[in-house]
Amino acid sequence: NAGVMQNPRHLVRRRGQEARLRCSPMKGHSHVYWYRQLPEEGLKFMVYLQKENIIDESGMPKERFSAEFPKEGPSILRIQQVVRGDSAAYFCASSPPSVFTEAFFGQGTRLTVV
Amino acid sequence: TQLLEQSPQFLSIQEGENLTVYCNSSSVFSSLQWYRQEPGEGPVLLVTVVTGGEVKKLKRLTFQFGDARKDSSLHITAAQPGDTGLYLCAGVQAASKLTFGTGTRLQVTL
Repeated sequence: NAGVMQNPRHLVRRRGQEARLRCSPMKGHSHVYWYRQLPEEGLKFMVYLQKENIIDESGMPKERFSAEFPKEGPSILRIQQVVRGDSAAYFCASSPPSVFTEAFFGQGTRLTVV
Repeated sequence: TQLLEQSPQFLSIQEGENLTVYCNSSSVFSSLQWYRQEPGEGPVLLVTVVTGGEVKKLKRLTFQFGDARKDSSLHITAAQPGDTGLYLCAGVQAASKLTFGTGTRLQVTL
């Protein structure tokens, strides 16, 4: 059973470009979470999604950031018009459709904005 | 905003020493989890504590959840180089959202 798959592992974007980060949850998991981690810091919650629904986006910046988890395919975190401050590691986690017990994390996408 | 403060922030010890990491908050959590993260990887769950006062052991690691479910500690006995990593506590509240602590970076040297 493959774990949470994130791609790309590393992404370099110039200021003003768009960044698309993809996350395929573990098989059978319908809940997806996105977290951001700055160097030497803990993870900060961004958004919680279920298939075709955003459940909690209280951690998402109001502008330029969006997330989706379509019926088919991976979850996508999209950052438009990236700025240097968006440089961070972005982690996706998934959990099964039941009472929450554990979030399984992917290896992350390291975004560098130059 | 709920905050989880971890202390110490950095810890460098020699193999065989004991250590304790603390995780403190002013908020009550339904459960608390501890993760370890290695460079270039995502966090991996070590344990979940649910009941106030609960103590769980995982080999040389002992985890305790405070009576009021606001704080927790991780104690490592006879640390080994393989214990090196970033230790993160995370509080679980409604809707499955994890609130992560500030992290403790542990380095164990020979």
